[in-house]
Amino acid sequence: EVQLVESGGGLVKPGGSLRLSCAASGFTFSGYTMNWVRQAPGKGLEWVSSLSSTNTYIYYEDSVKGRFTISRDNAKNSLYLQMNSLRAEDTAVYYCARDSRSGYAFDIWGQGTMVTVSS
Amino acid sequence: QSALTQPPSASGSPGQSVTISCTGTSSDVGGYNFVSWYQQHPGKAPKLMIYEVTKRPSGVPDRFSGSKTGNTASLTVSGLQAEDEADYYCSSYAGSNNYMVFGGGTKLTVL
Repeated sequence: EVQLVESGGGLVKPGGSLRLSCAASGFTFSGYTMNWVRQAPGKGLEWVSSLSSTNTYIYYEDSVKGRFTISRDNAKNSLYLQMNSLRAEDTAVYYCARDSRSGYAFDIWGQGTMVTVSS
Repeated sequence: QSALTQPPSASGSPGQSVTISCTGTSSDVGGYNFVSWYQQHPGKAPKLMIYEVTKRPSGVPDRFSGSKTGNTASLTVSGLQAEDEADYYCSSYAGSNNYMVFGGGTKLTVL
């Protein structure tokens, strides 16, 4: 079964750090671009970051540039998001999502992990 | 404010058709054929319903269809069913600077 499972969310104070993980199974992880998408409570979806299969291309949404770092370990079938200098507005459910084969669409999603930034 | 503009709500009776619009610019929706649509039920992860403007992933009913004219993309749900009641989001590739953008979402109610 094709599956993505996120972990690492939790409560963190403003200015703090958190590292999210996404474990992939059921497909050849190393062959796909992977993404992080977030959803603030009661709000819509927001793309956060994307990383190509061989780390060649990395993209970030403007508000997280310089604070978040996306990475992957193809040997461990895992995607990561290191989040530093967290702000209240980063509070959201963070989803890991796989790019479709043709690109620029997210065809497999994890269940999400909640990140709460509050003092 | 979301990059792509969707109506906040839409509704229709069972069996009817409803169309949800998604308006962007020539830098995203109008510039590329990489518009996709997602369905999200409360408390659940989003599900891909349409990609590359008109294509349906395996398993998505053919009651769901997509189209695009200029800077506006549309999702049409025909033969509405109760289980279609959900939030729907559009997204588009936006070039190497902005990469991917989403719409604000549309809550579809089946009356």
